[in-house]
Amino acid sequence: GAGVSQTPSNKVTEKGKYVELRCDPISGHTALYWYRQSLGQGPEFLIYFQGTGAADDSGLPNDRFFAVRPEGSVSTLKIQRTERGDSAVYLCASSLRAEAFSGANVLTFGAGSRLTVL
Amino acid sequence: AQSVAQPEDQVNVAEGNPLTVKCTYSVSGNPYLFWYVQYPNRGLQFLLKYITGDNLVKGSYGFEAEFNKSQTSFHLKKPSALVSDSALYFCAVRGEGGSQGNLIFGKGTKLSVKP
Repeated sequence: GAGVSQTPSNKVTEKGKYVELRCDPISGHTALYWYRQSLGQGPEFLIYFQGTGAADDSGLPNDRFFAVRPEGSVSTLKIQRTERGDSAVYLCASSLRAEAFSGANVLTFGAGSRLTVL
Repeated sequence: AQSVAQPEDQVNVAEGNPLTVKCTYSVSGNPYLFWYVQYPNRGLQFLLKYITGDNLVKGSYGFEAEFNKSQTSFHLKKPSALVSDSALYFCAVRGEGGSQGNLIFGKGTKLSVKP
């Protein structure tokens, strides 16, 4: 697609429930990223995929959070036993993989999925 | 540890005046530095980046930023502000040896441009 698409745009759930958030990256982008943005804060890194595999999952806060990208395109962020502190906007981004200066890749972000845990 | 500081929560500027949004960073090795802008209900949009080379980087919508290694700063500037520049601005950094995915963001600065 033309941009990074995230669904749902808004999700309200009850404490303890399971939630899935979906990200459809830009076609041809091999790298996919998940970030979390709490109110009044900057985005916080969660996990990064290069192709189908998680290249860096050091930002996942605990084992309730899990993400997959089985075919190297669409990714799903899964949150088990949600807590009120999980309420935030979950941002997905994608990028091309650069051969040089790979750390300087520009991320294209989606509009985010706003999660509210009651 | 890598970190980014945006010391101002909000910057107020009159339309037509120059604007500066401040950013300082701490990183191991050479930094890769970025500015992103966030409009309400929209995703973050890339403005510009510094990798290496000239300290003055020019980006989208007339914005520029100056890399200052001795002061570890990367302030965003624009010679003449527009009302449409009003948005939330984020500075971000990644260390030279850092994970490609782990971009560290500041907490953001709200820019308000009044007519």
